[in-house]
Amino acid sequence: GAGVSQTPSNKVTEKGKYVELRCDPISGHTALYWYRQSLGQGPEFLIYFQGTGAADDSGLPNDRFFAVRPEGSVSTLKIQRTERGDSAVYLCASSPSINSEQFFGPGTRLTVL
Amino acid sequence: KNEVEQSPQNLTAQEGEFITINCSYSVGISALHWLQQHPGGGIVSLFMLSSGKKKHGRLIATINIQEKHSSLHITASHPRDSAVYICAVRINAGGTSYGKLTFGQGTILTVHP
Repeated sequence: GAGVSQTPSNKVTEKGKYVELRCDPISGHTALYWYRQSLGQGPEFLIYFQGTGAADDSGLPNDRFFAVRPEGSVSTLKIQRTERGDSAVYLCASSPSINSEQFFGPGTRLTVL
Repeated sequence: KNEVEQSPQNLTAQEGEFITINCSYSVGISALHWLQQHPGGGIVSLFMLSSGKKKHGRLIATINIQEKHSSLHITASHPRDSAVYICAVRINAGGTSYGKLTFGQGTILTVHP
């Protein structure tokens, strides 16, 4: 079956612009996670959803970052007033439940010029 | 100090060698994951374990909960095993298991023919 998909695969934007990154989880997976990976580093947690609600958003770095999952499937990570330090690969993962194995998408590489 | 530490950071081996990558953590956990990431590629889950040992093909993962340590072994290594191997834990604090993963920095493995 289809795995986790993320769009776009690459996004180049200018400092100060707004971007949206999309994640399509595996069908039926109730838990959805967003992570961020900077070059040469391990991923870092941003936020995760159980169904439609954000169960833990403690990893969002500041109020420029926001994520939604209105129908409990697709999620969108939104970044306002982008900064060069936001450049990273944004990874999405989903799992059948919060205690299950996580399945990762290919990531979106965001470059802020 | 990171909650999850991996060693070594870089590992170079000749084809056929037995490889060990180590992961130590300093928090209570409900599960530990070993993940593989190829250059420019997504993350693939290799193992999720909470006790004992698991084997899949040439890969073996072990965990010692008392010592807060896990190892990933690759037998008869091959150049196609070249990738970044990442250890990640799901923290269990005060009896509450959190869905998000906390990652190590990764181990870059290069296997030469």
